[in-house]
Parts: sequence; structure tokens; C-alpha cells
Amino acid sequence: KQEVTQIPAALSVPEGENLVLNCSFTDSAIYNLQWFRQDPGKGLTSLLLIQSSQREQTSGRLNASLDKSSGRSTLYIAASQPGDSATYLCAENQGGKLIFGQGTELSVKP
Amino acid sequence: SAVISQKPSRDICQRGTSLTIQCQVDSQVTMMFWYRQQPGQSLTLIATANQGSEATYESGFVIDKFPISRPNLTFSTLTVSNMSPEDSSIYLCSAFNRATGGSHGYTFGSGTRLTVV
Repeated sequence: KQEVTQIPAALSVPEGENLVLNCSFTDSAIYNLQWFRQDPGKGLTSLLLIQSSQREQTSGRLNASLDKSSGRSTLYIAASQPGDSATYLCAENQGGKLIFGQGTELSVKP
Repeated sequence: SAVISQKPSRDICQRGTSLTIQCQVDSQVTMMFWYRQQPGQSLTLIATANQGSEATYESGFVIDKFPISRPNLTFSTLTVSNMSPEDSSIYLCSAFNRATGGSHGYTFGSGTRLTVV
């Protein structure tokens, strides 16, 4: 059974700090991996998509990496802001269906 | 990437009743999906909505409880039938376009927050 694990489950940091969120998956034969942001009670906003042939993707202050051999992905957030407070979910695409991690709840304190 | 309009955004329903959730995509997409997110949990796939045929359900989900329609490539509905308080969750639809080689990944609707009383 494919599993996606995210650590930590929750993280609280002061504004301005750089941080890393971790995602691990059990099946290396992934199609791609996607990072999402979810605000409380809301839907999902796509942040970054990494294809299986890529090693990383960047968008603004966000950088996501993918290492299929170790089954790991990281989301790096630079210079965090209170507006970054949300739950961050990674999802592995198994060729048509997404398998989600449990998410990391991030709180950035002013 | 595709933009999905999902409605209603929230509802409070009496047990034993049914609610139909709609998703409209602004462009044709090859695949549409329905997810459930129970309180404090991550997302679980309910089913893949197939255009013009019966949906493909994941283990633990059945058509009688969650009938799904997808009459064309831009629209789908999910009905939560004979509701009980355990059905209180956020329901989300998602779209994926194989025609673009998946270059935009999955797009999600804004979700429907359902409370059953």
C-alpha cells in the first residue's frame, strides 16, 4: 500500500525564518509530486508540481525538491511571513490518483 | 491550469436527507475526482468521475451512498445520500488534464463544508 508521510505535523516559527517541510513516499514509481496549501475550512491551492524527471521546482519564496531514490521531497519556504500560515499537503501522483500526506500545519508568528 | 467552481460552499443538513454538490470546470478536462476530508484528517479519494459512464469507486465507498454523475468533460456532481452526522466533512472535486501531459498537475475546487445535524 502506497503511503505518504509528512513531518513535522505542526510547526511554529517567528516571522522571517527559513523553514523546511518534509514529505516521504514509499513507491518510487511516481508520475509526479505536488505540494498544496490549504487554509482552514477551504479548498486546496496548488503551490508546486515536480515531474518525476525533475529534481526541483521554484516559485517565488518556495522551492520544492524531489529525490525518487530516497522517496523524499522537501518544501523550502524562505523568509516566512504570517500570511504563510496554513496547512501544507504533499501528494504523490500514482498515474491517475493522488495519495495525500497528513499535512504540516504551519504557524508563522509576527 | 483549469479553474473549478464548486457549490454550495457550505451547508447544514438534517440526517436522512441528501445533498448534491456541483463542480463546473472552465475548460475540458480528461479526469475528474471527488475527495472527502474528515475533520482533522487529510484527503481521501472517493471516486473517479468517468464521462458518460459509471464512476470508479475506491474501497469503502459505494454508489448507493455517493452517486456521481459526469455528463460531459466540464461538469460533475456528487450526491451524499441518506446523510448521518458521520458524513460531516469537506468534500472537494478535482480535475486533471492528461491532454496537457499533466503539466499543470491537479486543480481543486474550493470545497463544500457539510455539517449533518
